[in-house]
Amino acid sequence: KAGVTQTPRYLIKTRGQQVTLSCSPISGHRSVSWYQQTPGQGLQFLFEYFSETQRNKGNFPGRFSGRQFSNSRSEMNVSTLELGDSALYLCASSLTRTGGWETQYFGPGTRLLVL
Amino acid sequence: ELKVEQNPLFLSMQEGKNYTIYCNYSTTSDRLYWYRQDPGKSLESLFVLLSNGAVKQEGRLMASLDTKARLSTLHITAAVHDLSATYFCAAGGGADGLTFGKGTHLIIQP
Repeated sequence: KAGVTQTPRYLIKTRGQQVTLSCSPISGHRSVSWYQQTPGQGLQFLFEYFSETQRNKGNFPGRFSGRQFSNSRSEMNVSTLELGDSALYLCASSLTRTGGWETQYFGPGTRLLVL
Repeated sequence: ELKVEQNPLFLSMQEGKNYTIYCNYSTTSDRLYWYRQDPGKSLESLFVLLSNGAVKQEGRLMASLDTKARLSTLHITAAVHDLSATYFCAAGGGADGLTFGKGTHLIIQP
């Protein structure tokens, strides 16, 4: 069974640009969550999508957005990039909603560097 | 707002020794998760603890949950070098998603 995949794996952008990251969950999984990991702030929850609807959102500005498609694949978008957006962005999938009995499976992450 | 605190944040230990990582959380959470992260890698799920008194074991790792004390522990028995990694606990999962601790960076030396 294939794991969670994320593309691209590495990305370099400049301030002011926008970026779109993609996540394909494990087949059959309907929940996709996104997290930002930085050395200073650690792992922070961005948002969760379930059945194409955003269910939860973390404390991030509106520049961070996402969506989920009917096949459960998800994308997140960051507009007007800032230096502080440099981070590892992790996607996680699970069968049910986050916080349930199901394990979340994490993808390898997309490492974003903003110059 | 749920806060999750781990301690210690850094731990260097010798092979063969036992040690415990502690995870405290600030508000009620019926579930507690432990993850492992190797350098440059993603997170690997270790345990999902779903109820008060839950105890799970996998190899040299054992996790437990005390919801009354809002405390989970990850106990390492007879540590081996391969267990060197960063270990995260996480709680919540409701409207605010999972809240992670800052992680415990574990180095196991021969």
